[in-house]
Amino acid sequence: DTAVSQTPKYLVTQMGNDKSIKCEQNLGHDTMYWYKQDSKKFLKIMFSYNNKELIINETVPNRFSPKSPDKAHLNLHINSLELGDSAVYFCASDWGGGTTDTQYFGPGTRLTVL
Amino acid sequence: GNSVTQMEGPVTLSEEAFLTINCTYTATGYPSLFWYVQYPGEGLQLLLKATKADDKGSNKGFEATYRKETTSFHLEKGSVQVSDSAVYFCALRGGGSQGNLIFGKGTKLSVKP
Repeated sequence: DTAVSQTPKYLVTQMGNDKSIKCEQNLGHDTMYWYKQDSKKFLKIMFSYNNKELIINETVPNRFSPKSPDKAHLNLHINSLELGDSAVYFCASDWGGGTTDTQYFGPGTRLTVL
Repeated sequence: GNSVTQMEGPVTLSEEAFLTINCTYTATGYPSLFWYVQYPGEGLQLLLKATKADDKGSNKGFEATYRKETTSFHLEKGSVQVSDSAVYFCALRGGGSQGNLIFGKGTKLSVKP
């Protein structure tokens, strides 16, 4: 059973399009995250939700909008895609209760904007 | 703000060589420290963690000790295998951050037979 799953695994699209990436976790966790990994492998937090409430919103363009329909799902919608949005996007989850928690990551979605 | 610095790669070793990947951190308070590994084409997996000073995390022959006096969490393995080829990320959590992980830039390890 996959703990944290993401769809799609690969996404190739044209500049200006709107796309969504979906994430689901079956671990019963309360908190979910989106991280972006750039071409140099650097990972940075984008958003975090706890029980459907936004708790972290780093400085990302407002073309990126997370949506959490329930605590098991955190989707990422991107409007007006730009070349610089090409990256690997990782979803993660944990209990959100403390600094010692382990975060579990999904397999990633490789987004390529042409 | 909090940050993690790890040695630049890539690191290339022969099988059975000793591995050290250096990691130092800057944080307020008492963060937890983690090593994650990313195998080619895959997501991140927790390799080991330590949650307080002098704790040693270990897994699959890898070890790292939380050294508060030197603000370090160096990753070591006595004898690497080809299957250890991956990108290794040092990360911290807490110590004033909001709950997300703060990652170093990653170190790519290649092990040759």
